[in-house]
Amino acid sequence: KAGVTQTPRYLIKTRGQQVTLSCSPISGHRSVSWYQQTPGQGLQFLFEYFSETQRNKGNFPGRFSGRQFSNSRSEMNVSTLELGDSALYLCASSGGLTQETQYFGPGTRLLVL
Amino acid sequence: AQKVTQAQTEISVVEKEDVTLDCVYETRDTTYYLFWYKQPPSGELVFLIRRNSFDEQNEISGRYSWNFQKSTSSFNFTITASQVVDSAVYFCALRTGANNLFFGTGTRLTVIP
Repeated sequence: KAGVTQTPRYLIKTRGQQVTLSCSPISGHRSVSWYQQTPGQGLQFLFEYFSETQRNKGNFPGRFSGRQFSNSRSEMNVSTLELGDSALYLCASSGGLTQETQYFGPGTRLLVL
Repeated sequence: AQKVTQAQTEISVVEKEDVTLDCVYETRDTTYYLFWYKQPPSGELVFLIRRNSFDEQNEISGRYSWNFQKSTSSFNFTITASQVVDSAVYFCALRTGANNLFFGTGTRLTVIP
């Protein structure tokens, strides 16, 4: 099976812009979670989607949003970018017989200038 | 509240030495899952192992072994005969119920040839 894929891999934006990141889960997985990784805060949970519904949400401002499509692909959007949003954004999928285990994609490195 | 502590920030060993990465967790849930992930410089989090709270059996997989002890809330990871390819950041994580993963701060392992 193909693993989790994320696009784009690298992104440079300026403050105030918005950005959309995409994640395609492992085939058959219906849950997609997003995490932000920064040197200062480590790995932090953003949100989780299951069957097109947000099932869980971390402690991030409303500028961070997401959605999931009927094919389980997911997108996350960050509006009004701030310098502190520079991070590695990781997507993970889970499902099937090992639904407790999350498998991660390669991440999208976002740099906000 | 859930918490994962990885007290070792950085470890350096010479190739072929054994090394143990420590992980201590906190949770009031009786059902939970513990994980170890490896993050090489490329950034992707690679799943290594999952342990259920009701299964305290230790596990060995090649040069890797894991020691899960509920009495001390620890889930330690040992690499035997370390190799340069083991150099990475290793994360311990905790998942309760249908919730997200709570990550430790990671341990950066450097294996010196």
